[in-house]
Amino acid sequence: DAGVTQSPTHLIKTRGQQVTLRCSPKSGHDTVSWYQQALGQGPQFIFQYYEEEERQRGNFPDRFSGHQFPNYSSELNVNALLLGDSALYLCASSLFLDNPGELFFGEGSRLTVL
Amino acid sequence: QKEVEQDPGPLSVPEGAIVSLNCTYSNSAFQYFMWYRQYSRKGPELLMYTYSSGNKEDGRFTAQVDKSSKYISLFIRDSQPSDSATYLCATHTGANSKLTFGKGITLSVRP
Repeated sequence: DAGVTQSPTHLIKTRGQQVTLRCSPKSGHDTVSWYQQALGQGPQFIFQYYEEEERQRGNFPDRFSGHQFPNYSSELNVNALLLGDSALYLCASSLFLDNPGELFFGEGSRLTVL
Repeated sequence: QKEVEQDPGPLSVPEGAIVSLNCTYSNSAFQYFMWYRQYSRKGPELLMYTYSSGNKEDGRFTAQVDKSSKYISLFIRDSQPSDSATYLCATHTGANSKLTFGKGITLSVRP
């Protein structure tokens, strides 16, 4: 049973560029959440997708956008990259109707912005 | 004030020691409490998940929640070098709500 898979694992971009990160949820899960984890910090919630819609959003600017596909996989897009966007981006999946539900995290995509 | 505060680290203990990790939170709406373990360059892995005040035990790990004082703890008995990792406390208000994490504390267990 495959867990949460993310790609790419590492990438380097320069300021002003755009990046797309991808996530496949754990088998049977229908909800995907994205978190940003800066070095030495706990993960910060970016947004959550269910039924291909953004259901909740954290305190992140509009440069951060996402998408969920019919197969439940998801993308995180970040435009106009800033140095401060350098972080580990974590995808987590869950089952929407599972109350309270458990979040399963992927290994993350480590983004470095130069 | 951050919603979840976690004792600063790092923490280094000898093998076999009892480890106590602590967090406090400020939002009374938080109902569910979790401890995650994160190894270097890996994603967080759920260790313990509790709802009510009291203790929950799983092997060498015990999670404790005191909602009256908004205090959550994780105890590790007979600590092992394999327990060396970053431990994150987290909480949320209910089904499908976002997780709010503490900053994390890095634990090193010396052989």
